[in-house]
Amino acid sequence: QSVLTQPPSASGTPGQRVTISCSGSSSNIGGNTVNWYQQLPGMAPKLLIYSNTLRPSGVPDRFSGSKSGTSASLAISGLQSEAEADYYCATWDDSLNGWVFGGGTKLTVL
Amino acid sequence: EVLLVETGGGLIQPGGSLRVSCAVSGVTVTSNSMSWVRQAPGKGLEWVSLIFSGGNTYYADSVKGRFTISRDNSKNTLYLQMNSLRAEDTAVYYCASGEILDYWGQGTLVTVSS
Repeated sequence: QSVLTQPPSASGTPGQRVTISCSGSSSNIGGNTVNWYQQLPGMAPKLLIYSNTLRPSGVPDRFSGSKSGTSASLAISGLQSEAEADYYCATWDDSLNGWVFGGGTKLTVL
Repeated sequence: EVLLVETGGGLIQPGGSLRVSCAVSGVTVTSNSMSWVRQAPGKGLEWVSLIFSGGNTYYADSVKGRFTISRDNSKNTLYLQMNSLRAEDTAVYYCASGEILDYWGQGTLVTVSS
């Protein structure tokens, strides 16, 4: 059971916009910034969004993040087949004194 | 360019010990926080341990008292010493750098089985 709650799956058709939610509590998302990681099949995770809304260099602006209270969201617009991957939210937890991850959301492009 | 390369994984019997390493280039292990994150087969990501640049260390409850994170400044390498290994420790172990886990290695597989 993960500390952060994500839907196990999401899907969309090419060109569509999809969102993935991440729910936490006051000790984690409520008091810290959220990062999102993309894990392509058979690969290591890659930082996609940091500090709730910022994109590292090289990440397309089709990917965007937001946070409100104890929840965060990742949005992917103009969906492409290469976006098929697992997506994880993560943040620091002040009570556990460690990083906490969501259980991951498997995105399928139909 | 930042590069992290994990080594040292393998098959180990329950109750045994193993040390995995993470050779770092492009950043120094002492000027950045460094973490270990693991992923059991077919499962999600689980944070294991962290060492801050100042040397403070933190552990997940699931490994506290059994695992030890350390670093070697001269080799610019991060380590995870794993003792009293259990079947549930079977996973790919990734090292990741920075306070936002911005760079990751390719991982090393640790299998705990008799």
